Amino acid sequence: EPEVTQTPSHQVTQMGQEVILRCVPISNHLYFYWYRQILGQKVEFLVSFYNNEISEKSEIFDDQFSVERPDGSNFTLKIRSTKLEDSAMYFCASSEVGWKGSTDTQYFGPGTRLTVL
Amino acid sequence: SQQGEEDPQALSIQEGENATMNCSYKTSINNLQWYRQNSGRGLVHLILIRSNEREKHSGRLRVTLDTSKKSSSLLITASRAADTASYFCAIKSGYGQNFVFGPGTRLSVLP
Repeated sequence: EPEVTQTPSHQVTQMGQEVILRCVPISNHLYFYWYRQILGQKVEFLVSFYNNEISEKSEIFDDQFSVERPDGSNFTLKIRSTKLEDSAMYFCASSEVGWKGSTDTQYFGPGTRLTVL
Repeated sequence: SQQGEEDPQALSIQEGENATMNCSYKTSINNLQWYRQNSGRGLVHLILIRSNEREKHSGRLRVTLDTSKKSSSLLITASRAADTASYFCAIKSGYGQNFVFGPGTRLSVLP
């Protein structure tokens, strides 16, 4: 069964460093998402992406964050200058359809645990 | 806030018993989904229920939706120790693309 994959599974970085989290969505999906989950807290939406542009973003997704689909398979989340409070699990998700359909199940990857020291 | 709110926050039952978790929300929804998360792991999609549906089944899972009460429930029948996980409802409202997750219910199934 196709699945969303993410790399790395765990990333440790120093405060102020840039990190890039990578995701490979399910191949026929057109909509891509990033969520994060701070330890012990709820899952929070960051950004959605369709047709090579951001279609929706939350207030968490500030200028330090950016997303890119550099090729036909990868979808990346970049944090330019990490802060301690960026430590969290970051989940990528993809769906076949987006807001135009009500059956837009989002399939999540296993997550990348980001630790900022 | 359109956030789903699950209750109870934590539930502990014996293997073989049924587990019921509830989700309430405040806005009108397009659909509602239930996810499972094992500790430190990713989110596994369980069931999607659309706003015009009232009940869906998948194996030992049964989800109901009452839009008049703005609530949904997830029933796991004949629970197993492997069902131990956190369960989240996620709501999609209107034409937004993202899902808003509740804080989750931590289910412990004791052998």
